[in-house]
Amino acid sequence: AQTVTQSQPEMSVQEAETVTLSCTYDTSESDYYLFWYKQPPSRQMILVIRQEAYKQQNATENRFSVNFQKAAKSFSLKISDSQLGDAAMYFCAYSYNDMRFGAGTRLTVKP
Amino acid sequence: DAGVIQSPRHEVTEMGQEVTLRCKPISGHNSLFWYRQTMMRGLELLIYFNNNVPIDDSGMPEDRFSAKMPNASFSTLKIQPSEPRDSAVYFCASSFETGTYNEQFFGPGTRLTVL
Repeated sequence: AQTVTQSQPEMSVQEAETVTLSCTYDTSESDYYLFWYKQPPSRQMILVIRQEAYKQQNATENRFSVNFQKAAKSFSLKISDSQLGDAAMYFCAYSYNDMRFGAGTRLTVKP
Repeated sequence: DAGVIQSPRHEVTEMGQEVTLRCKPISGHNSLFWYRQTMMRGLELLIYFNNNVPIDDSGMPEDRFSAKMPNASFSTLKIQPSEPRDSAVYFCASSFETGTYNEQFFGPGTRLTVL
């Protein structure tokens, strides 16, 4: 079964600094998709970034980028120039025929 | 666009009662997903539809749970009878393309409390 592990229940970063959130997953498939979703206190789930496993190039969306290590089954999210609005729960997710989420990492941004 | 609409936003009911959660996906989207979020189990995919047809309901916890999508603009998730352990936030999401690997747009969720 595919599982997604986020080993950091909580992380903290100073405003304007960089933080990296970790995610590992387990799969026997070779072609799948990975996601990072953000859930602010409003509860709304918002897609941050998406990576296709067959693409070697790491996905980037403005201040958000990933480090995708397929052989290691690792998919970390880097947030640069952290802003107060980045404070939220961040969920890593894996999709092949379904969608599986990690337990989440709560990110606090200190002013 | 109004985004994914869920109703009600909050529901409090007593054990044994029937609960119906409603979802209106984004117009033009072809896939619809129901999720449940709890502290203990995190976010779980319950069922999803492609073009109004249920594709995978393996995440539905028990026969007490049922979901329908009678047309492209409406879906329901029903729990009958409800139990306290069903208390959770239930999310509906939709995506333009079929399949689970495309960007999903989530609704605001329904917080269900079963007493």
